[in-house]
Amino acid sequence: GQNIDQPTEMTATEGAIVQINCTYQTSGFNGLFWYQQHAGEAPTFLSYNVLDGLEEKGRFSSFLSRSKGYSYLLLKELQMKDSASYLCAVRDSSDSWGKLQFGAGTQVVVTP
Amino acid sequence: DAEITQSPRHKITETGRQVTLACHQTWNHNNMFWYRQDLGHGLRLIHYSYGVHDTNKGEVSDGYSVSRSNTEDLPLTLESAASSQTSVYFCASSTGKGGREIEQFFGPGTRLTVL
Repeated sequence: GQNIDQPTEMTATEGAIVQINCTYQTSGFNGLFWYQQHAGEAPTFLSYNVLDGLEEKGRFSSFLSRSKGYSYLLLKELQMKDSASYLCAVRDSSDSWGKLQFGAGTQVVVTP
Repeated sequence: DAEITQSPRHKITETGRQVTLACHQTWNHNNMFWYRQDLGHGLRLIHYSYGVHDTNKGEVSDGYSVSRSNTEDLPLTLESAASSQTSVYFCASSTGKGGREIEQFFGPGTRLTVL
């Protein structure tokens, strides 16, 4: 199984940068996902990493280090609409069909 | 447009009653998943299916069952509802074609209250 840890809450100012860390322990690794979830809504896909390094998508970037069991999601030029919960999820190598283990989520609060 | 829907969106029931939550997707995805989401726990997997007539238990499957008679639907049944099953339930689906990126698409959720 997996153990996935991420901070419970982070606060940042509009226009700033926030980095959300995720650490995981797994018997086998086959990909890490980040999802965004606004209050009262469904999670939506943000990014996917399976190889070490940085993946950039506009204002959002995600980094992975498999040897350290570590990932982060970087949110740049924060906007009020970025206030949401960010979920880190890991896919185990024993299951290539898509089953995910989710962390508890990090609530990001963007202030004016 | 293809989509994934859940019904009902809100449900209040009494302890001991059987409850079925519906999930329907029109993407023709092979994989379907049921999660519950509670404060402080994130999304926890209840049951999942990788195709018609395939079902598997997740980490919190006690008190729940699913069946997969076609590609589009994966109904979740609470055999005898308990107050501990008060939660928000999300259904998700993904393609079963393999490959590197198997994104899950989530339904809008069902808020279930067991009194």
